[in-house]
Amino acid sequence: NAGVTQTPKFRILKIGQSMTLQCTQDMNHNYMYWYRQDPGMGLKLIYYSVGAGITDKGEVPNGYNVSRSTTEDFPLRLLSAAPSQTSVYFCASSFSRVNGYTFGSGTRLTVV
Amino acid sequence: GQQLNQSPQSMFIQEGEDVSMNCTSSSIFNTWLWYKQDPGEGPVLLIALYKAGELTSNGRLTAQFGITRKDSFLNISASIPSDVGIYFCAGQNSGNTPLVFGKGTRLSVIA
Repeated sequence: NAGVTQTPKFRILKIGQSMTLQCTQDMNHNYMYWYRQDPGMGLKLIYYSVGAGITDKGEVPNGYNVSRSTTEDFPLRLLSAAPSQTSVYFCASSFSRVNGYTFGSGTRLTVV
Repeated sequence: GQQLNQSPQSMFIQEGEDVSMNCTSSSIFNTWLWYKQDPGEGPVLLIALYKAGELTSNGRLTAQFGITRKDSFLNISASIPSDVGIYFCAGQNSGNTPLVFGKGTRLSVIA
């Protein structure tokens, strides 16, 4: 089992560019999440999904978009990169709402 | 949004010492979890707590779900160098809401 796989691991974007952060899980989990981690600030929820075709906003959704066309994949799209989006992005999944989450190893994004 | 207050922010300890950290909330949580993050990696679940007053151990780690349901504690006994990392608490106040995370406690162990 690969668990939760995120690609790419690192990326540098110019202001205004768009990109998609990929997330795939092979555990047949219904629930998937995107968090961003800024130094000393913990993890903040961007978007989450409770199943294929269903997505919902988290605490900090502005500037991002998601889709969930399959159980396995939950890509996060940056619409027009801004320096404030420089962060480490983590995707996670869980079997149920009350189970602990399994995290990917993260994507480190720098916007210049 | 909901806030979890995690303390201390950072700790420097000698190898072999015991460590305590805690997490508090202004609202009640039904689930508390503790995660550890190694450098360059995603957080990994250490302990999950589902009942007020619950005390659960995982090796040298022990965590408790506070009786008021507004706090949780994590203790690490006889620390070793590989305990270095960031420890996060996380809480959930109902089955319908995603986890809320604290800001983390950065642990450094001096050999």
